[in-house]
Amino acid sequence: DQQVKQNSPSLSVQEGRISILNCDYTNSMFDYFLWYKKYPAEGPTFLISISSIKDKNEDGRFTVFLNKSAKHLSLHIVPSQPGDSAVYFCAASAVWSGSRLTFGEGTQLTVNP
Amino acid sequence: DTEVTQTPKHLVMGMTNKKSLKCEQHMGHRAMYWYKQKAKKPPELMFVYSYEKLSINESVPSRFSPECPNSSLLNLHLHALQPEDSALYLCASSLYRGESSYNEQFFGPGTRLTVL
Repeated sequence: DQQVKQNSPSLSVQEGRISILNCDYTNSMFDYFLWYKKYPAEGPTFLISISSIKDKNEDGRFTVFLNKSAKHLSLHIVPSQPGDSAVYFCAASAVWSGSRLTFGEGTQLTVNP
Repeated sequence: DTEVTQTPKHLVMGMTNKKSLKCEQHMGHRAMYWYKQKAKKPPELMFVYSYEKLSINESVPSRFSPECPNSSLLNLHLHALQPEDSALYLCASSLYRGESSYNEQFFGPGTRLTVL
């Protein structure tokens, strides 16, 4: 049972345009959501997070939106840069799971110059 | 210091070898994790230590043996591994979820393990 889903395995955008990465979850007990970026042969890098008490969190070029009723979150990157090309993982956390994160399968973002 | 360090960066071992992976953090985090990651897959949780005690073991084979000597160090001892254990092994740390709702996990760069 995959509780966090990223249905798009890949996304390609032009430099300067907006990248929108999507994530859906099934467990309503999740109350904290995170996005990680991963380059090949490196560890994931924390990007941005959002608590379930908010519907938006912004950090520079990165904005995460949370729609609790739809159990959906998205990561917007504006403007996209070639250096943003990486795999992006969505993850979720709940008090009942202790410190465990549940990851999605990831989306490969390619930003073309 | 907001870094998680891991050594070695690369490791090649035979199926009869014994080796150890090491992880260190100085962010005062009391939760530390071992993950295994295969190519194009999300990190797969192996073990969680909370306050230096093993709190989660995700049914990992006994050929993987974790150890948390103190609040800053985490080891993973390897013995009699199989070729299918070849993967990127990641260490992470975070605040303990009981301390804060904001438990971002910070990952190290990983150890690329190849079992021959």
